[in-house]
Amino acid sequence: QKEVEQDPGPLSVPEGAIVSLNCTYSNSAFQYFMWYRQYSRKGPELLMYTYSSGNKEDGRFTAQVDKSSKYISLFIRDSQPSDSATYLCAMSGGSTGANNLFFGTGTRLTVIP
Amino acid sequence: DAGVTQSPTHLIKTRGQQVTLRCSPISGHKSVSWYQQVLGQGPQFIFQYYEKEERGRGNFPDRFSARQFPNYSSELNVNALLLGDSALYLCASIRTGYNEQFFGPGTRLTVL
Repeated sequence: QKEVEQDPGPLSVPEGAIVSLNCTYSNSAFQYFMWYRQYSRKGPELLMYTYSSGNKEDGRFTAQVDKSSKYISLFIRDSQPSDSATYLCAMSGGSTGANNLFFGTGTRLTVIP
Repeated sequence: DAGVTQSPTHLIKTRGQQVTLRCSPISGHKSVSWYQQVLGQGPQFIFQYYEKEERGRGNFPDRFSARQFPNYSSELNVNALLLGDSALYLCASIRTGYNEQFFGPGTRLTVL
């Protein structure tokens, strides 16, 4: 079983839609949860960083962590064509250390104008 | 402030050769991590260095090695290259005292 599972998509939505991206994980010791955006052939860009359970909002982006279900989500409101990219969830913690990030495979998102 | 820089951008090598990749972290950051990203997959952790000392190692063979210099820049070395080493190699700069990791643009390595 992989440490982190993420639906690879692809996911296509019309401009202005609300996008929901999700990951599940198996290691209950994970405490740090991140979402990255990666444009084609570029390095990942940190979007959201959350410690432990709860919600965090930043502009059009909301990150949710449910540790009891081992489930994290990223919501994008009023999606724009510029949001078209691959979204990677990442997490760390426990015996593997806080800085050893475990990534999902990424979900490819296309926002259609 | 400059972000994370990596060099070279692209590299083509043949099987059996050796390669050295370089990374400069964000000013003020003392820790870097290296990741390998194969096409269509998420990045995989290779190494973490803090203050010139190795603080973590992923599940990679001994052909992979790294070091960090007094100015906190870092090098990743891969010996005896295999076709399967073809990937995007990413360096992450870790914000001191936090766990936020900021990635550079990566070095794309192709092994022929």
